[in-house]
Amino acid sequence: AAGVIQSPRHLIKEKRETATLKCYPIPRHDTVYWYQQGPGQDPQFLISFYEKMQSDKGSIPDRFSAQQFSDYHSELNMSSLELGDSALYFCASSRRQGDNYGYTFGSGTRLTVV
Amino acid sequence: KNQVEQSPQSLIILEGKNCTLQCNYTVSPFSNLRWYKQDTGRGPVSLTIMTFSENTKSNGRYTATLDADTKQSSLHITASQLSDSASYICVVSSGGYNKLIFGAGTRLAVHP
Repeated sequence: AAGVIQSPRHLIKEKRETATLKCYPIPRHDTVYWYQQGPGQDPQFLISFYEKMQSDKGSIPDRFSAQQFSDYHSELNMSSLELGDSALYFCASSRRQGDNYGYTFGSGTRLTVV
Repeated sequence: KNQVEQSPQSLIILEGKNCTLQCNYTVSPFSNLRWYKQDTGRGPVSLTIMTFSENTKSNGRYTATLDADTKQSSLHITASQLSDSASYICVVSSGGYNKLIFGAGTRLAVHP
């Protein structure tokens, strides 16, 4: 079965550079969630989208932005990168009405800022 | 405050042995509870998901229990394998579609 696809798997950027992470949800999933997990930390909810509209916002820095496109894939854009942005970023998808069974996580993108 | 607490923080067992991981939560409203396995540097992989009315659910060598009255859950791993070495995360959904409360996880190491 198709899973949540994230790209790239690994990314190395320098401070003050920009990065774009991509997430392709499971087919027929209309909701995408982004999480940031620092080393040894719990995943922190960043932002979510439903039907191409932002549905909820968590601890996403102002330097970050995200959007969901017509094919339901989502991109997380990160600017003015800081060393503290080094983390595992993963997304999850679900069908909005399927909360009880719908969440599926991607394998994540490992971002390293040097 | 919605919280999910897991114990132990870390655990070392020998291959072939069984183990039980604990999860206590104070989340309201409660929608469901999930156990995930997370390998280092990877996204969480779902093991089980349980709603309010479910007491036990199995997935191969993994068996999860839920006591909604005491707000406790456990994950029992039978006949552990080296590949079971990972973090096991308890995640509670507080209703709706956008809020997952993560436990800090239990880091399990299975030694030969």
